[in-house]
Amino acid sequence: AQSVTQLGSHVSVSEGALVLLRCNYSSSVPPYLFWYVQYPNQGLQLLLKYTTGATLVKGINGFEAEFKKSETSFHLTKPSAHMSDAAEYFCAVSDAGNTGKLIFGQGTTLQVKP
Amino acid sequence: EPEVTQTPSHQVTQMGQEVILRCVPISNHLYFYWYRQILGQKVEFLVSFYNNEISEKSEIFDDQFSVERPDGSNFTLKIRSTKLEDSAMYFCASSEGGTYNSPLHFGNGTRLTVT
Repeated sequence: AQSVTQLGSHVSVSEGALVLLRCNYSSSVPPYLFWYVQYPNQGLQLLLKYTTGATLVKGINGFEAEFKKSETSFHLTKPSAHMSDAAEYFCAVSDAGNTGKLIFGQGTTLQVKP
Repeated sequence: EPEVTQTPSHQVTQMGQEVILRCVPISNHLYFYWYRQILGQKVEFLVSFYNNEISEKSEIFDDQFSVERPDGSNFTLKIRSTKLEDSAMYFCASSEGGTYNSPLHFGNGTRLTVT
């Protein structure tokens, strides 16, 4: 069965600093991995996804993530944090079945300090 | 850009009452989902729906829950007799072809409070 673990429920960075949000997954089959962002009072918005091919994937708003099979990780990074990046971030893995469902991590709240 | 819309944004109900949460998925999408997030916990899968039938459901989705696509545009989640532990944010999502081909698009959620 698939599962996702996000290390750190809260991460705080200064504006302009590197953002690193950690995600480790467990999957019995080659995983499809996703990062979603949730701004206050809004739904989940797709940031980026990894399916196959290039292991470094770029998403919206300057975020990127690297799939590392040997480490079973899919960490999310952004070189320079902006105040507008403050939100909750969810890592997810696609279930191995054919229903298309996602299995989410517990989420990481990113705080950006001025 | 098309989006998934959910109504109401907040629903308060008394324990034992029935509630219906409504969703309008993106019009050309074929796969529909309900997820929920209890405060402080993970986003949990409830049910997936395709071709007018449930394709998968979780252990959470017991006999108190049902889904329906009554008119080709709406997708509803009904909780027959609400319990305190049903209090959560409920998210509807839709997908054109499943996550392998296209991502899930989520609505803004309905916050259900059971008192």
